Amino acid sequence: KAGVTQTPRYLIKTRGQQVTLSCSPISGHRSVSWYQQTPGQGLQFLFEYFSETQRNKGNFPGRFSGRQFSNSRSEMNVSTLELGDSALYLCASSLYPAGDAEAFFGQGTRLTVV
Amino acid sequence: AQTVTQSQPEMSVQEAETVTLSCTYDTSESDYYLFWYKQPPSRQMILVIRQEAYKQQNATENRFSVNFQKAAKSFSLKISDSQLGDAAMYFCAYWGDDKIIFGKGTRLHILP
Repeated sequence: KAGVTQTPRYLIKTRGQQVTLSCSPISGHRSVSWYQQTPGQGLQFLFEYFSETQRNKGNFPGRFSGRQFSNSRSEMNVSTLELGDSALYLCASSLYPAGDAEAFFGQGTRLTVV
Repeated sequence: AQTVTQSQPEMSVQEAETVTLSCTYDTSESDYYLFWYKQPPSRQMILVIRQEAYKQQNATENRFSVNFQKAAKSFSLKISDSQLGDAAMYFCAYWGDDKIIFGKGTRLHILP
């Protein structure tokens, strides 16, 4: 079956703009988690959605938001982009809430803010 | 707050040899999960092994096994018969209190 699909794969945005990233989970998976990976901070948890509800959130400012649709696809939005938002954004899907079941990761979206 | 520490930023091992990657964590929770993830150059994270904290038995997946010491809050990964395809960044992760925390990672080089 198809894996986790993240679009776009690469993105260049200007400081101050906003961006929306998309994540299509594996069919049947209801949990989608988002992560930010940077050389300095490493991998950090952004938030998790399960059945269209945000279950938990990492320590990120309110500029980072997300949502999940009824088909479990998820979007992550970052408003008022800053240079420090340049990162690889990964999403992962699982059958049950993350931790209770194996999470499968997408290949990520590389966001560059200039 | 929970923390995860991987004290070895880089390691090298000869092909076919055994290598152990270290991970320690800190938590006051009693119920949690621990993971080892592999991130090859393709950047796609792959689950290597998963351990439930309530299970005393160490998890094993083929050539990969862990040494889980709950009291010491230690969770090391042993890779036996190392192969060139094992070269990657390895992340230790803790899941508890509905949050996941990753270590900084260990880059593993396999020497032919």
